[in-house]
Amino acid sequence: ETGVTQSPTHLIKTRGQQVTLRCSSQSGHNTVSWYQQALGQGPQFIFQYYREEENGRGNFPPRFSGLQFPNYSSELNVNALELDDSALYLCASSPERLTLIRFFGPGTRLTVL
Amino acid sequence: GENVEQHPSTLSVQEGDSAVIKCTYSDSASNYFPWYKQELGKGPQLIIDIRSNVGEKKDQRIAVTLNKTAKHFSLHITETQPEDSAVYFCAASIGQGGKLIFGQGTELSVKP
Repeated sequence: ETGVTQSPTHLIKTRGQQVTLRCSSQSGHNTVSWYQQALGQGPQFIFQYYREEENGRGNFPPRFSGLQFPNYSSELNVNALELDDSALYLCASSPERLTLIRFFGPGTRLTVL
Repeated sequence: GENVEQHPSTLSVQEGDSAVIKCTYSDSASNYFPWYKQELGKGPQLIIDIRSNVGEKKDQRIAVTLNKTAKHFSLHITETQPEDSAVYFCAASIGQGGKLIFGQGTELSVKP
């Protein structure tokens, strides 16, 4: 176990709705990143937060947004859900901004109908 | 742009045989190459990694090799066991704490 937890484990939404996914980082880890994993594909980088500031973003539209809290937990928000947003959303934490290692959580499976 | 290609997409071996998975990367500035194992219903688990200043690294039955000139790296699993069955992903990143670019994954099946 990596010590990274995510909630909820599964979620079903309809097109146009908004969703919030949550992640609790491993103790002592102050960097969190989010990835989207479509079925049968490798994870795709969404964005990364270090000490509550976004410090990297992948090729995702602005309706994907996030937050990191003082306790280093994090949220991923997706507005105006589309069918293609159906995927496994993974959170990964790292001990500090300069570390290379990412520890992944179990993910949240989002289904958009 | 940044890209990681992974082959094969599926691999079936007999228990005790070796398995090799290969990846190529596009950005020569990549300096960190982790391998993850993902079991059904779980998140990716780091199994081994290598940095660009090292050509080979071994951890028990698992080894990774890196050829910076050719921009490829490989995962070698020896004496495979049924519990090695999973999807394996290679990845590459640039700099300290840079985003990971993942390959498409290899589904490894080890038959008893």
